[in-house]
Amino acid sequence: EAGVAQSPRYKIIEKRQSVAFWCNPISGHATLYWYQQILGQGPKLLIQFQNNGVVDDSQLPKDRFSAERLKGVDSTLKIQPAKLEDSAVYLCASSLDREGSPLHFGNGTRLTVT
Amino acid sequence: SQQGEEDPQALSIQEGENATMNCSYKTSINNLQWYRQNSGRGLVHLILIRSNEREKHSGRLRVTLDTSKKSSSLLITASRAADTASYFCATTDNYGQNFVFGPGTRLSVLP
Repeated sequence: EAGVAQSPRYKIIEKRQSVAFWCNPISGHATLYWYQQILGQGPKLLIQFQNNGVVDDSQLPKDRFSAERLKGVDSTLKIQPAKLEDSAVYLCASSLDREGSPLHFGNGTRLTVT
Repeated sequence: SQQGEEDPQALSIQEGENATMNCSYKTSINNLQWYRQNSGRGLVHLILIRSNEREKHSGRLRVTLDTSKKSSSLLITASRAADTASYFCATTDNYGQNFVFGPGTRLSVLP
């Protein structure tokens, strides 16, 4: 099966600019996650979707981050305006809507904010 | 907030040796999963152990779970240079939701 696709692979922007990341999950996976991974740390959940509804966005900085999942398939994560501390890898993951199903991750987008 | 905490933070061993990583967590869980992350890549699922299981094997991997101590260990036997990666434990709540990852153990296997 095709894996989770993410783009772009790398992005460099200046602070206060905006940026968007795209994710295409594995076909049939109802649950989609966006994680932020700062260098040397574990992934931190930003938002979880079940189909096109939000399950958990408690750790999403909503003043600058937004995410949507159109028609329950692809998803975009946007940052506007970016801050220096947003420099990180943004990982998208998907899973089946079944207890115990593992997460399948994309290779992430490495964001550098200068 | 982080649920799992792996230790050690970093581990360096020779090829052929065994590597043991530990994970501790704070609240009750439905299951615990271990993932591997190679440099510059996404995480890859290795193994899942449910809260009612004590030990599980998969190839060269052995995972144990002690719910009374809220801890798990991952043993990689006969390590290879290709095992060099970061290893993370992730816990889910009683509904099997809310994956929370620890900070990871960076394993280096020297040839």
